[in-house]
Amino acid sequence: AQSVTQLGSHVSVSEGALVLLRCNYSSSVPPYLFWYVQYPNQGLQLLLKYTSAATLVKGINGFEAEFKKSETSFHLTKPSAHMSDAAEYFCAVSRGAGNKLTFGGGTRVLVKP
Amino acid sequence: DAGVIQSPRHEVTEMGQEVTLRCKPISGHDYLFWYRQTMMRGLELLIYFNNNVPIDDSGMPEDRFSAKMPNASFSTLKIQPSEPRDSAVYFCASSLGQGVRRNTEAFFGQGTRLTVV
Repeated sequence: AQSVTQLGSHVSVSEGALVLLRCNYSSSVPPYLFWYVQYPNQGLQLLLKYTSAATLVKGINGFEAEFKKSETSFHLTKPSAHMSDAAEYFCAVSRGAGNKLTFGGGTRVLVKP
Repeated sequence: DAGVIQSPRHEVTEMGQEVTLRCKPISGHDYLFWYRQTMMRGLELLIYFNNNVPIDDSGMPEDRFSAKMPNASFSTLKIQPSEPRDSAVYFCASSLGQGVRRNTEAFFGQGTRLTVV
């Protein structure tokens, strides 16, 4: 069975500081991994996805994530936080390329001025 | 394309009433998913369809829940009778097939916030 663990349900960062959101997965086969963002009262929007083409994946809004098979991790980073980054972030895994997602518990990001 | 469209955005109903949530997927997408989001359980997959056929409904919590997809452009999720514990945000999502050469991420609607009182 696949599962996704996000460390830290809440993260608080200062504007301009590094954003680091952790995601670890378990999968018996090479996974497809995704990061989604959810703004208040909105649906989920794709930030980036890993589909085995490259281990460092760049997404929208300056976010990127690195796939590390040895650590079974897919952590999300952004060098400099902006107030507009305040949202909830979800890591998800699919063995079938996005067709059936298993989500982590989510990490809510608060950006302090 | 306008994206995945869900209606209504908000629904408040009394316990015991029937509730129907609606979804229009992105045109051309052959997979449709219904998810439920709650504080306690996070995001859970309820059911998904491929080419209008239900593939996996193991996430549907009880027989009170049912979902249909009569055609490629419309799906419903029905709860009858509704209970307060069904209060949640219900998301519909669609995606286009499988395979690394295809655009395979799921696109989500805005969700329907259901409150059962």
